[in-house]
Amino acid sequence: QVTLRESGPALVKPTQTLTLTCTFSGFSLSTSGMCVSWIRQPPGKALEWLALIDWDDDKYYSTSLKTRLTISKDTSKNQVVLTMTNMDPVDTATYYCARVALSGLHRYFDYWGQGTLVTVSS
Amino acid sequence: SSELTQDPAVSVALGQTVRITCQGDSLRTYYASWYQQKPGQAPVLVIYDKNKRPSGIPDRFSGSSSGNTASLTITGAQAEDEADYYCNSGDSSVNHLVFGGGTKLTVL
Repeated sequence: QVTLRESGPALVKPTQTLTLTCTFSGFSLSTSGMCVSWIRQPPGKALEWLALIDWDDDKYYSTSLKTRLTISKDTSKNQVVLTMTNMDPVDTATYYCARVALSGLHRYFDYWGQGTLVTVSS
Repeated sequence: SSELTQDPAVSVALGQTVRITCQGDSLRTYYASWYQQKPGQAPVLVIYDKNKRPSGIPDRFSGSSSGNTASLTITGAQAEDEADYYCNSGDSSVNHLVFGGGTKLTVL
């Protein structure tokens, strides 16, 4: 069965770089069509899409955050890593990774991790 | 970039039908998917490919789309359907994605 699990620091200081790891099982990111994405949700607020990486190592980023984000994958470890630079208290959120399915002109998140809460505070 | 607009809150009487809408220009090109999120939990996919349900999602959940508006309909709402609902679609391309602001559904 497909599972995803996020890991990383629970607390980061302002201006620091956040590194989050998504470890997954039940599928391979080397299989054509497979993608993994990161999404975040500030407390009490809406979901926000951050980044996507596909099986061919193509990477896509939120327009508003692209200068701060880097997504990468380690296919041998079944992991996807997201880094976000220059963290600010407004970046406090639960960060989710999710598997992304593709059906024609349509992507959707069919499996989600449980999320990891990251607090930005000095 | 595009935006997806949802009503912040909707209520429905137990057993009645409710429609949750999502509006945005990107919906003229890309299908919406819908996610249910209960407090303290990760989102769960309930509708994809405009009107397909993943295994395990009750058939009282359905989706539709017309022009720039996608809709999630719950026919015969149950107490357990009380949750936040988010729509999602492609934005400037199929690989750039955007979420709606979410709709809080209350079942009375």
